[in-house]
Order: sequence, then structure tokens, then C-alpha cells
Amino acid sequence: ETGVTQSPTHLIKTRGQQVTLRCSSQSGHNTVSWYQQALGQGPQFIFQYYREEENGRGNFPPRFSGLQFPNYSSELNVNALELDDSALYLCASSLGLAGGSRYNEQFFGPGTRLTVL
Amino acid sequence: QQQVKQSPQSLIVQKGGISIINCAYENTAFDYFPWYQQFPGKGPALLIAIRPDVSEKKEGRFTISFNKSAKQFSLHIMDSQPGDSATYFCAAKRGSSNTGKLIFGQGTTLQVKP
Repeated sequence: ETGVTQSPTHLIKTRGQQVTLRCSSQSGHNTVSWYQQALGQGPQFIFQYYREEENGRGNFPPRFSGLQFPNYSSELNVNALELDDSALYLCASSLGLAGGSRYNEQFFGPGTRLTVL
Repeated sequence: QQQVKQSPQSLIVQKGGISIINCAYENTAFDYFPWYQQFPGKGPALLIAIRPDVSEKKEGRFTISFNKSAKQFSLHIMDSQPGDSATYFCAAKRGSSNTGKLIFGQGTTLQVKP
């Protein structure tokens, strides 16, 4: 069983630029959630994708957007980067409604460390 | 009502001791409570989770105790080992909601001394 993978591992951007982060879900998982984890904090929910559509969003501005592809992989796009966007971006996959009693379980990837200068 | 409060912020335990981390929540709609372990430079790893219809769940050296009336739950790590040194996060979710929104606590940094 392949776990959640994310790319790139690290990324350095300057303020105002745009960035795309990628996530491949765990084998058999059809739901992907994205989280932002600032240094020393717990992860904060950005949004979730299910069946290629956004299915729930946290308190993040529209410049945070995403996509999910037919193979369930996903992208997180952030436009007009700000210094406060510097964080570890985590992708988590889950079985979704197909998982029965296990649909709540979310498995995280290693994250992408984004630094905005 | 969306917050999950976690304590202590940091914890030092001797090898073989019991580590206890506590969390409290306000939203009574939460009905799924996982604990995650995170090592530096890694993503959080799901340790154990509980639903409020049980008061305790044990997996190996890890036990969740749940007090529904007090809206509190805790993680106990028995026979703590240096390899358990990591940051631990509690979280909560409305299990009936299809949205995967986990609300995380602030984290507890555990150091187990040899």
C-alpha cells in the first residue's frame, strides 16, 4: 500500500509569486484534504476535495485554490504569496464515504515546506 | 466553539514513566477524536482515535480516555520510551459531516529522558 506523497519537499518563493503544491493520495483513497501548519502550531484546515470538487473550506482567502484529478491526486495553488504563507503544507487522504466506519481516518503526507521571502 | 484546547504545551518524562496529555473541546457536535504523533520534518501520523460512545480505547501502550460530560479527552502513553519523543496533537471532527475538517489542538512536545 503506497502512502500519501507530496512534492516538492521544500520551496522558496518571493512575495507576490504563485505556487503549486502536489499530492498523491494513498492507494484506494478518494478524498484529499489540505492543511497549513505554521511553525509551532497545529495544522489548520484549508479545504477538502471529493470527486474532483471542493467539499468544505476553512477560513482561507480565495487566493488559496485547489484541484483534484480523476486519479484522486490533488494540487494546492496559492496566488499572490504573502510572508505569512510561510508554513508546512500538509495533504491528507481518506477513504471518504466509501470507507464506512473508517471514513473519518485521515492519513497525512510528509508535507511541503514553503518559505516566502 | 470550534476550538480544541490542549495541555501541557511541553512535557518531560523519564523512560518507563506515563505521559499524559489532555484536551478539551466545546462543540458538542464533535464525535470523532483522533491523536496524531509528529516527528520533526514529518507529517502527522494517526496514532489512535475514539468516538464518544466509549470511555476508553487502548492500542498497545497508547490509551485514550474520554469524558463526554466534561468534554475532555486525554492520551496516556504507558512505559514511555525515548523513541516516543515527538509532538502530539489531539483533534476533533464532526464525524457525521462529510467535510474532512479536523480541528487540531496546539500540540504537546514530549521529551522522554533515557
